Amino acid sequence: DVKVTQSSRYLVKRTGEKVFLECVQDMDHENMFWYRQDPGLGLRLIYFSYDVKMKEKGDIPEGYSVSREKKERFSLILESASTNQTSMYLCASRAPGLAAGELFFGEGSRLTVL
Amino acid sequence: QQQVKQSPQSLIVQKGGISIINCAYENTAFDYFPWYQQFPGKGPALLIAIRPDVSEKKEGRFTISFNKSAKQFSLHIMDSQPGDSATYFCAASKDGGFKTIFGAGTRLFVKA
Repeated sequence: DVKVTQSSRYLVKRTGEKVFLECVQDMDHENMFWYRQDPGLGLRLIYFSYDVKMKEKGDIPEGYSVSREKKERFSLILESASTNQTSMYLCASRAPGLAAGELFFGEGSRLTVL
Repeated sequence: QQQVKQSPQSLIVQKGGISIINCAYENTAFDYFPWYQQFPGKGPALLIAIRPDVSEKKEGRFTISFNKSAKQFSLHIMDSQPGDSATYFCAASKDGGFKTIFGAGTRLFVKA
């Protein structure tokens, strides 16, 4: 089974802090994604990476950056956390050859910014 | 043009009943329509998916109905069980791309 692991399940940070969310997948998938989930808004794509060191902006990249130095690891960075970034963050991966919408998700990182 | 509209927002169904969740899309370039199921505290998991060349796909108690001309698709859960209580997301994507557009989600509660 594909496993996508988000190491931090719950975080509480203060406004202005730098926040790192880590995601690791164990299936050698090339594509990795960061989504944000908010009630009534569904899942919205923040950034994705189609290969090591490659990254592309999604639909809501403002206030976020990402890093992908190794194939299995994709990090989401909030340079200066703000209260409107309080949310559930979901990491996903996808194997090459699968449909674009065939994603494997981690269990999520719930971030609260005070 | 990129939106996927999902309804209802929440749904309560008696055990044994049929749960129906509807979605509508705008972009006719979409060619893959998955449904994801999410239990509390877990990430979404792919439940069932359909492509526009078929009008229906069934897997166990779960069926997707697809109406290409109306740009609508729906999830039917037959003989709904309390264990089906979860949030369901419809989505749409285009082969060769990287973006999946998700609906807002439907919280289903199946009463025992």
